[in-house]
Amino acid sequence: DAKTTQPTSMDCAEGRAANLPCNHSTISGNEYVYWYRQIHSQGPQYIIHGLKNNETNEMASLIITEDRKSSTLILPHATLRDTAVYYCIVRAKNNAGNMLTFGGGTRLMVKP
Amino acid sequence: DGGITQSPKYLFRKEGQNVTLSCEQNLNHDAMYWYRQDPGQGLRLIYYSQIVNDFQKGDIAEGYSVSREKKESFPLTVTSAQKNPTAFYLCASSWVQALAGELFFGEGSRLTVL
Repeated sequence: DAKTTQPTSMDCAEGRAANLPCNHSTISGNEYVYWYRQIHSQGPQYIIHGLKNNETNEMASLIITEDRKSSTLILPHATLRDTAVYYCIVRAKNNAGNMLTFGGGTRLMVKP
Repeated sequence: DGGITQSPKYLFRKEGQNVTLSCEQNLNHDAMYWYRQDPGQGLRLIYYSQIVNDFQKGDIAEGYSVSREKKESFPLTVTSAQKNPTAFYLCASSWVQALAGELFFGEGSRLTVL
């Protein structure tokens, strides 16, 4: 699976949009981009995933560049409860067993 | 409610003792996984199982053992051979089909070896 690069930490003001970038320049054609988040001392929680089209659900939006070498997770109106570590993961469509490789992630701090 | 239950949440053990962490799921998922997380780090895969009575080593299996006698259960034993067992352990489950992708995680078990 392709490696991803994320900033170590970011701050965001409460009520504003949080834009979390992820670089995956070695992504191949059959690899999906997944985002998870982990609130302190809890298990990670799935947020969203996509292949090449932008995706939106009740939690977030995922914007993938046309060349698929980078993506941005957008939390449209960040709240204090969105403070967490956000993981960007790239996984092949035929990755047996759905094994995911978690890197260091981005620590998002939402401030009042 | 469907979900994954890990127990115990906190566990203290003396060095040299084996420890077994429980993981139970009622989501009818075929695949189950164990990850280890150290402070400030990402998750590393210890073992995974895609079907009952079968399991595979992950990236850091040394010093750990698992069993999968039932679909809903995937206990992890941290043996005395594990050099640095103090960590946060996370169990997850998913559908086996490659298109699914979503892992459901338990709340974790924090093991401290004294």
